[in-house]
Amino acid sequence: TQLLEQSPQFLSIQEGENLTVYCNSSSVFSSLQWYRQEPGEGPVLLVTVVTGGEVKKLKRLTFQFGDARKDSSLHITAAQPGDTGLYLCAGPPSGTYKYIFGTGTRLKVLA
Amino acid sequence: GEEVAQTPKHLVRGEGQKAKLYCAPIKGHSYVFWYQQVLKNEFKFLISFQNENVFDETGMPKERFSAKCLPNSPCSLEIQATKLEDSAVYFCASSQYDMVASSYEQYFGPGTRLTVT
Repeated sequence: TQLLEQSPQFLSIQEGENLTVYCNSSSVFSSLQWYRQEPGEGPVLLVTVVTGGEVKKLKRLTFQFGDARKDSSLHITAAQPGDTGLYLCAGPPSGTYKYIFGTGTRLKVLA
Repeated sequence: GEEVAQTPKHLVRGEGQKAKLYCAPIKGHSYVFWYQQVLKNEFKFLISFQNENVFDETGMPKERFSAKCLPNSPCSLEIQATKLEDSAVYFCASSQYDMVASSYEQYFGPGTRLTVT
C-alpha cells in the first residue's frame, strides 16, 4: 500500500511561532504537491516539488523534497492566524498514474 | 471557466434515494478527479477521467456509485440507493498532466455536501 503519512496530525500554536509539518512514505514519488484547505472550501494548491533535495519558498513557507523523493516537509516561519487550515501533501508514486493524498495536518494559529 | 464549479452546494437525501452531483472542470483541463471527504482530514479517491474516458476507477464502490464525463456536459457522480455512510463532502478536481513533473496539479471545486438522513 502506498501511503503518505503526515505528522503531526494536529498542531495548535501561538502567532509568531515557527512550525514544521512532515510528509513521509516508504515509496518514491514522482513529485509532491502541498495543498491548504480552509473550512467549507476545497484544497488550494500551494506548491509542487519535483527534484530530490529541491527547496521552494513561498513567502513564509518553505517546502523541501527529500533526496530520495520519499518525504517532504513544510516549514512555516512566524505563523499567522491566516495560516490556519488543513495542510495536505499529495502526489503520484513513481511509475503509476495514481494520485495519493496524505493523512493531513490540521493547523490552528492563535492570535 | 477558470474555476472548477460544483453543484449543488448542499444535497439532502433520504436513505435509499438517488443523489447526483455535478462538476464543470476548468476549460482545457483533460483530467477530472472525484474524492470523498468523510472525516475532516481524509480524502478518499473515487474515480478519475481523462476527457470522457475512465482513467482510474479503483476507488469506486461500483455497486452503487457511477460517474460520467461526456463531451460538452458537466461531469457527474451518481449514487444509487444512498446509505447513511455516504454522508460526506464530495470534491471534484481538474488537472492537466505535467510530463516534466510527472504530476497532476489539481484544482479543486468548492465541494458538494451530501447528507443522507
